[in-house]
Amino acid sequence: AQTVTQSQPEMSVQEAETVTLSCTYDTSESDYYLFWYKQPPSRQMILVIRQEAYKQQNATENRFSVNFQKAAKSFSLKISDSQLGDAAMYFCAHTYNNNDMRFGAGTRLTVKP
Amino acid sequence: DVKVTQSSRYLVKRTGEKVFLECVQDMDHENMFWYRQDPGLGLRLIYFSYDVKMKEKGDIPEGYSVSREKKERFSLILESASTNQTSMYLCASSTRDTRDYSNQPQHFGDGTRLSIL
Repeated sequence: AQTVTQSQPEMSVQEAETVTLSCTYDTSESDYYLFWYKQPPSRQMILVIRQEAYKQQNATENRFSVNFQKAAKSFSLKISDSQLGDAAMYFCAHTYNNNDMRFGAGTRLTVKP
Repeated sequence: DVKVTQSSRYLVKRTGEKVFLECVQDMDHENMFWYRQDPGLGLRLIYFSYDVKMKEKGDIPEGYSVSREKKERFSLILESASTNQTSMYLCASSTRDTRDYSNQPQHFGDGTRLSIL
């Protein structure tokens, strides 16, 4: 069975600094997808970034980038130049078909001005 | 932009009531999902549907049923609500890529916070 582990329940970062959120997963599949979703206080889950396992290049979306280590089954999210609007719950998720998706428990990120 | 609309942001019901949570998406997506979100547990899949009148059980279907009579609407039903079903419920939808039929990332609604008293 797929499992996703986020070992940091809470993280904080100073505005304009960089923070890294950790995620590990377990799967027997060789091809799959990994995601980071953001859930601000407004509650809507927003897709931040997506990585396809067969792609060796790490995905990047503006200030958000991932460090995908397939052998280690690790998928961390780096947020550069943190902004107050980045404060949210961040969920790591894994799926092999985009239907049967498994989520981690989440990391609450606080951004300090 | 994809719009996934859940009928209520907050809902309070009593134990034993039959509860309906409604979800509508406006992008003609094939796939629709219901999750519950609890602190420390993340999101857990209750049911999903990949076509009208089709449904598949997720990880925690007990105590729930679903209905998908129209493509844009996916309803979650608590047959006889219990206090342990107090939670945040999230609906999501996704489409299939027409080139390789792979499923695309899910888009979420704003959630319904359900309290069962």
